[in-house]
Amino acid sequence: AQSVSQHNHHVILSEAASLELGCNYSYGGTVNLFWYVQYPGQHLQLLLKYFSGDPLVKGIKGFEAEFIKSKFSFNLRKPSVQWSDTAEYFCAVRASNDYKLSFGAGTTVTVRA
Amino acid sequence: SAVISQKPSRDICQRGTSLTIQCQVDSQVTMMFWYRQQPGQSLTLIATANQGSEATYESGFVIDKFPISRPNLTFSTLTVSNMSPEDSSIYLCSVERTSGRAEDETQYFGPGTRLLVL
Repeated sequence: AQSVSQHNHHVILSEAASLELGCNYSYGGTVNLFWYVQYPGQHLQLLLKYFSGDPLVKGIKGFEAEFIKSKFSFNLRKPSVQWSDTAEYFCAVRASNDYKLSFGAGTTVTVRA
Repeated sequence: SAVISQKPSRDICQRGTSLTIQCQVDSQVTMMFWYRQQPGQSLTLIATANQGSEATYESGFVIDKFPISRPNLTFSTLTVSNMSPEDSSIYLCSVERTSGRAEDETQYFGPGTRLLVL
């Protein structure tokens, strides 16, 4: 089974600051990679995903993530955060031939106005 | 995507009792899953709900404790049996369609059921 590591448990930023959340996984085969977001009081939503092709993936709300195969990483970035980006962010991984998702522990992002 | 609803949204239960959680999807889906999110922790897959056959459980989860039904392609239930305070958690249903295009195959999550066992 895959394991997923998210480096930061809680990140506090000011509006307009840049955000980068780390995600590393352990699995030697081909993977599908996901970032999900959970806004306060809302359910888990898909932010972006990577299956194949261009390793730089663009998602909703100005987020992007880069898959670096050699580093087993899929870091999430946003150049300029807004107060509304306050949420919990989860990285998830699965083997490309499987449906089972393995989730990281999540990173709570707090954006101060 | 898919519109997923869960009932109840939250409940407070006494130890030793059982609670059945329902998951309804607005369209037919191939795969349905049940996850648990314990306080301060990430999501853990409990089982895959298979239509017309027994659910497939992950390590550490058993059918006697978490019986699952999947009578059709839009509905599933998860029962948390003989509850203890350690079962206090958020229980989430997720769905995925198999479309033949790998890049379309993504899991979408319901709003969750927040369970507190006293």
